[in-house]
Amino acid sequence: KAGVTQTPRYLIKTRGQQVTLSCSPISGHRSVSWYQQTPGQGLQFLFEYFSETQRNKGNFPGRFSGRQFSNSRSEMNVSTLELGDSALYLCASRYTGANVLTFGAGSRLTVL
Amino acid sequence: DQQVKQNSPSLSVQEGRISILNCDYTNSMFDYFLWYKKYPAEGPTFLISISSIKDKNEDGRFTVFLNKSAKHLSLHIVPSQPGDSAVYFCAASVGTASKLTFGTGTRLQVTL
Repeated sequence: KAGVTQTPRYLIKTRGQQVTLSCSPISGHRSVSWYQQTPGQGLQFLFEYFSETQRNKGNFPGRFSGRQFSNSRSEMNVSTLELGDSALYLCASRYTGANVLTFGAGSRLTVL
Repeated sequence: DQQVKQNSPSLSVQEGRISILNCDYTNSMFDYFLWYKKYPAEGPTFLISISSIKDKNEDGRFTVFLNKSAKHLSLHIVPSQPGDSAVYFCAASVGTASKLTFGTGTRLQVTL
């Protein structure tokens, strides 16, 4: 059974650019969550999607957005990149009603 | 506002000994708690969980203890093995299938 797949794994952008990250959840998982991991901050919740609807949102500026498609795949977008956006972005999926998240390996974004 | 705190950024334990990782939380509404383990270049993987109706849960070498009055949980690993060297995150949620709030992680190093 394939796990959570995130692409790209690594990317480098410059300030002011925008970036789109992709996540394919485990087959049958309809809930997809996104987290940002930075040194010393742990995993910060960005948002969660379920059946193409954003169900929950963390305390991030509007530059961070996401969406989910009918096949449960999800994308997140960060516009007008800032140096502080350099982080590991983790996607996770779960079965409906479950508490346990299964994470992908993450997309490491470096903003120069 | 860090609702889940792991006050020890790192811990070093000898192989065969007990590792004890601690986690404190401030939100009394949290009723489900999880531990995740993360190796470099991989996403976090689920380890063990506990619901607030219990005070202990065991799974092989891993035991999680919950002290609701102190808002404290701990993960015990006995015996510790070199392969346990990783970053450990505790996480909490309110109810089922809601967002997980993570701590900042504790890096465990198991030495020979």
